[in-house]
Amino acid sequence: AQRVTQPEKLLSVFKGAPVELKCNYSYSGSPELFWYVQYSRQRLQLLLRHISRESIKGFTADLNKGETSFHLKKPFAQEEDSAMYYCALRGIQGAQKLVFGQGTRLTINP
Amino acid sequence: NAGVTQTPKFRILKIGQSMTLQCTQDMNHNYMYWYRQDPGMGLKLIYYSVGAGITDKGEVPNGYNVSRSTTEDFPLRLELAAPSQTSVYFCASSSPGANYNEQFFGPGTRLTVL
Repeated sequence: AQRVTQPEKLLSVFKGAPVELKCNYSYSGSPELFWYVQYSRQRLQLLLRHISRESIKGFTADLNKGETSFHLKKPFAQEEDSAMYYCALRGIQGAQKLVFGQGTRLTINP
Repeated sequence: NAGVTQTPKFRILKIGQSMTLQCTQDMNHNYMYWYRQDPGMGLKLIYYSVGAGITDKGEVPNGYNVSRSTTEDFPLRLELAAPSQTSVYFCASSSPGANYNEQFFGPGTRLTVL
C-alpha cells in the first residue's frame, strides 16, 4: 500500500530560523516524491520534486530511501513561506496518480 | 493560458440533490484527476482519466461519476448528495513524462451538503 505521513499538522517558527517539514512514506518500489504548496488564496502548486534535485525558494528535500523520508528543509525561514505544504508520492505503476499526506500548515512569525 | 478552471467556486446542496462540478484545462494534457479534501486531511483521489473516453476509479469513488468526452473537459457528477460529500474538490491535469509528471491544479470548488 502507498501511504504518506506528515506528522505535524501545524508548525510555527520565527523568521530567520531553520525550517524542517517532515514527510515519511510507505511504498514497496521506487517512488517519485513531491512537495506541493498552497499559499493563501492561491491554488495548489508544485514546489519540489526529488528527481530534479533542485532548490526552489531556498527549499531543498532529499529522498532517504533507508528511512523512507523526504523532509523539506530551509535554512532561514521567511514570512512569505507561510503556507500549507503537502508531501505527495507517485508510485511508478500509478498512472501518475498521487497519494498525498495530510499537510502541514507552516506559519512564520515575524 | 487559463490552466485548469473549475466551476462553480462555491455551492450549497440539499441532501439528495444532484450536481455537476465542471473542470476544463487548456494545456492539452492527457491526464486529468478529481480529488477531494476534507478538513484537516490530505487530498484523496476520486477518479482519474488518462485520455478522452477512458476513466478509472481512485481511492474514494463511491457517490460520484465522471465522463471524459473531450481532452479538455472532465466533469464530476454527484447524483444523490450526502453530508459526507461536504468537501473541497480539486481538479488537476498532467501530461505523461512532461515537467517530471507535475500536476496542475484548479482553484477548487467548496461544496456543502445540508
